[in-house]
Amino acid sequence: SQELEQSPQSLIVQEGKNLTINCTSSKTLYGLYWYKQKYGEGLIFLMMLQKGGEEKSHEKITAKLDEKKQQSSLHITASQPSHAGIYLCGADTSGGSNYKLTFGKGTLLTVNP
Amino acid sequence: GAGVSQTPSNKVTEKGKYVELRCDPISGHTALYWYRQSLGQGPEFLIYFQGTGAADDSGLPNDRFFAVRPEGSVSTLKIQRTERGDSAVYLCASSLGRVTPNEQFFGPGTRLTVL
Repeated sequence: SQELEQSPQSLIVQEGKNLTINCTSSKTLYGLYWYKQKYGEGLIFLMMLQKGGEEKSHEKITAKLDEKKQQSSLHITASQPSHAGIYLCGADTSGGSNYKLTFGKGTLLTVNP
Repeated sequence: GAGVSQTPSNKVTEKGKYVELRCDPISGHTALYWYRQSLGQGPEFLIYFQGTGAADDSGLPNDRFFAVRPEGSVSTLKIQRTERGDSAVYLCASSLGRVTPNEQFFGPGTRLTVL
């Protein structure tokens, strides 16, 4: 089965600092999804990447998928306390049918004011 | 409602009991998913419905777990003879279907504790 490794497991940064979270797969990724989760809440969709070399940005968050489609990174610029939470990467493991997601264990981000 | 809702938000039960967890998807979403999230882990796929039928139930851990979606909207996840290892947050998600990107909208989850 496909496994997703996320690093780091946890991250503490000072407000205003930049940070990067990585997600690595043992197999080619058909679709790579980034979600954010806060305690007691559901997952919030951030971005989806599908093509090798693809990069998407929303506000201060940028996600990239490498050319080999086995590694993705999530970069936050000028972090704010509102960015705190658990970031999860999920991969489409339904062979491209686009419904079954396998998730990494998540990265816990703390942003100190 | 505007989003996916799940009831109850918390459920405490005793080992061996039967529980039902309910999911109300976003109106118009034909696809519905159940995931289970244990402490410190990412969500784990359980089952996927397209309309009323279970298109993929390969993630259900054993035959104590069963899910239905009789009218293609609300879904119920049923767990028989609960075990302590079933304790987790059960997440439901819905989406428009097999489109790209298939943005799955998640509910807040039901936290199940089996004593």
